Amino acid sequence: EVQLVESGGGLVQPGGSLRLSCAASGFTFSRYWMNWVRQAPGKGLEWVANIKQDGSEKYYVDSVKGRFTISRDNAKNSLDLQMNSLRAEDTAVYYCARDRRYCSSTSCYVSPIAFDIWGQGTMVTVSS
Amino acid sequence: DIQMTQSPSSLSASVGDRVTITCQASQDMSNNLNWYQQKPGKAPKLLIYDVSNLETGVPSRFSGSGSGTDFTFTISSLQPEDIATYYCQQYDNLPPLTFGGGTKVEIK
Repeated sequence: EVQLVESGGGLVQPGGSLRLSCAASGFTFSRYWMNWVRQAPGKGLEWVANIKQDGSEKYYVDSVKGRFTISRDNAKNSLDLQMNSLRAEDTAVYYCARDRRYCSSTSCYVSPIAFDIWGQGTMVTVSS
Repeated sequence: DIQMTQSPSSLSASVGDRVTITCQASQDMSNNLNWYQQKPGKAPKLLIYDVSNLETGVPSRFSGSGSGTDFTFTISSLQPEDIATYYCQQYDNLPPLTFGGGTKVEIK
């Protein structure tokens, strides 16, 4: 079964740090772009960051640049999000999501950029 | 950044009704637009990619259309299990990828 399972959420004080992890199974993790998407309580979806198959490209939404770092370990089928200098407005459910862009043994597909597999989410609460 | 304005923000319709949601982009786009369904307490689910392509396993009552700045998502005959919030998402100009504000669909 294709699956993503997030962990690492919790309550943290403003200015603190937290590291989220996402464990992938049931597919060849190293062949896909991966993303973090968040959803503040009662609000809509916000894309946070993504990372290329080999980790050579990483992109972030402006509001987290310089504070969050996305990384992956293809040997462990794991995606991480290191979150520093956390603010109240970072409070949200954080989802990892697989991107449709993948590389086969011979070709890489650059579209669509659609999130076809999602984890169940992990809650991050930033509060004193 | 491309802003996606979704409307309405909520709607109430009867079972069997045709439901239409629109998503307007702040600038001209290619067909780089997707639609997701999110049921309460659940992760989003990809329904349609590239404006009109139905994801595998998604019922044919769901459809998408549009071009340029105006895109439409339609449920041809609303079913009780379609109660959810629906989001459009663009990937035409990134980063960032951006989502619309969502449309909450309820049964009348």
